[in-house]
Amino acid sequence: ETGVTQSPTHLIKTRGQQVTLRCSSQSGHNTVSWYQQALGQGPQFIFQYYREEENGRGNFPPRFSGLQFPNYSSELNVNALELDDSALYLCASSPHPRDEKLFFGSGTQLSVL
Amino acid sequence: KNEVEQSPQNLTAQEGEFITINCSYSVGISALHWLQQHPGGGIVSLFMLSSGKKKHGRLIATINIQEKHSSLHITASHPRDSAVYICADRRGSMGGGADGLTFGKGTHLIIQP
Repeated sequence: ETGVTQSPTHLIKTRGQQVTLRCSSQSGHNTVSWYQQALGQGPQFIFQYYREEENGRGNFPPRFSGLQFPNYSSELNVNALELDDSALYLCASSPHPRDEKLFFGSGTQLSVL
Repeated sequence: KNEVEQSPQNLTAQEGEFITINCSYSVGISALHWLQQHPGGGIVSLFMLSSGKKKHGRLIATINIQEKHSSLHITASHPRDSAVYICADRRGSMGGGADGLTFGKGTHLIIQP
C-alpha cells in the first residue's frame, strides 16, 4: 500500500476527445511526477510538479498538461487524443523532488479507439 | 535509442536460485532506482543508489559509477519474486529543476516452484 491512489483505473476514449486523469498523494508529498507506459516498455517521464508549479517536463507535446492542488492531489489532462496515447499512466509522489523513495499509484489504463 | 539498458529482458529460474539483473546507463547520473512492477501496473520502489551497495532482506543492489553499471541480486529466489524489475536513472536537474526518471524497459522475471 503506497498511499497513492489514481482514478479511474480504466478508461476508454475515442480519438480527438479530451481526458483528465487524477492522482491523490499522501499528505506532505509536495512532488508528483506523471509517467506514460506503453505496452512492453518502461515508463516515460511526462512532467513533474512541485508545490503546484511545473518543475520540469519530458518530451511530450503541449496537449499534455497538468495541475497540482494544495490538498496533494493532481491531474493529468490530455487534449486531442491520438491512438498512440493508449497506455498506462502512472503518477509517483514524494515529499521532495530528490527524495530517495518514490510512491507510485497503480495507474490508469487509457485506451483510445 | 533507450539510454538505460537492462539485461536480460526475460529470465526464468527455479525457486532458490540466485538471480542477477543488470542495468547500464550512458550519461552521468545523480542516482539510480530499482523498482518492481507487478501485473496490473503497481510499482514499488526497492532501492535508490548513488554509490556502493544496499541490502534489504533478500535483495541486494550495487552500483559502479565509473562503469555506469548497476546490478540487482535476489538471493534464495521465491515464486513471489516473479515480477518485472525496472531500473531508472535520475539525471539531476532538467530545465526548471525536475528530476524525472529515465527508465529501462524492464526485466521480466519468473521464478518457478
